[in-house]
Amino acid sequence: ILNVEQSPQSLHVQEGDSTNFTCSFPSSNFYALHWYRWETAKSPEALFVMTLNGDEKKKGRISATLNTKEGYSYLYIKGSQPEDSATYLCAFGGGGTSYGKLTFGQGTILTVHP
Amino acid sequence: NAGVTQTPKFQVLKTGQSMTLQCAQDMNHNSMYWYRQDPGMGLRLIYYSASEGTTDKGEVPNGYNVSRLNKREFSLRLESAAPSQTSVYFCASRKTPGGDEQYFGPGTRLTVT
Repeated sequence: ILNVEQSPQSLHVQEGDSTNFTCSFPSSNFYALHWYRWETAKSPEALFVMTLNGDEKKKGRISATLNTKEGYSYLYIKGSQPEDSATYLCAFGGGGTSYGKLTFGQGTILTVHP
Repeated sequence: NAGVTQTPKFQVLKTGQSMTLQCAQDMNHNSMYWYRQDPGMGLRLIYYSASEGTTDKGEVPNGYNVSRLNKREFSLRLESAAPSQTSVYFCASRKTPGGDEQYFGPGTRLTVT
């Protein structure tokens, strides 16, 4: 079983704060790293898929970076808003016999207080 | 486009009963997945189908069977439900097995008493 860990488990911030989360994954047999946003009572929705070491992706106030050699990815939210409150999941996609499967972390629960 | 649909949305079973969870996608995706989500455990892969005609076990396949009926449909069957299978089940699909994002269905909340 692959070990994909996210930290922190939960985070409370004030509106306007910037924040970041970490996803750690195996540094070997890497194929892709996904980030998903999961709002309460909804389904997870993809934010980013990154495949190359050094990748940086941005969508509005949210951005992500990838370091495959050391096995981590950061998700940044600039100027958090209450509507950013959600669980943020990362998922590791491996190659070889693991190709096609995703292993999810437990998620970081973000609460943004007005 | 409806995306990924799942039926039923809610189900209560007694221990030992069987049922099939249905999943369909209208995005012409090749790969489909079944996950379960339990508190504190994140999403865990039960089975997946990289393409029509193939299925493979995920992290937690025991107690489940799957059928890739055609390119659109991927069903999950519980032959003899157990309380440990109480969970929320999500179906997902993506265009290829590789680096594409996954699209998730709305989930099925299953309770086994």
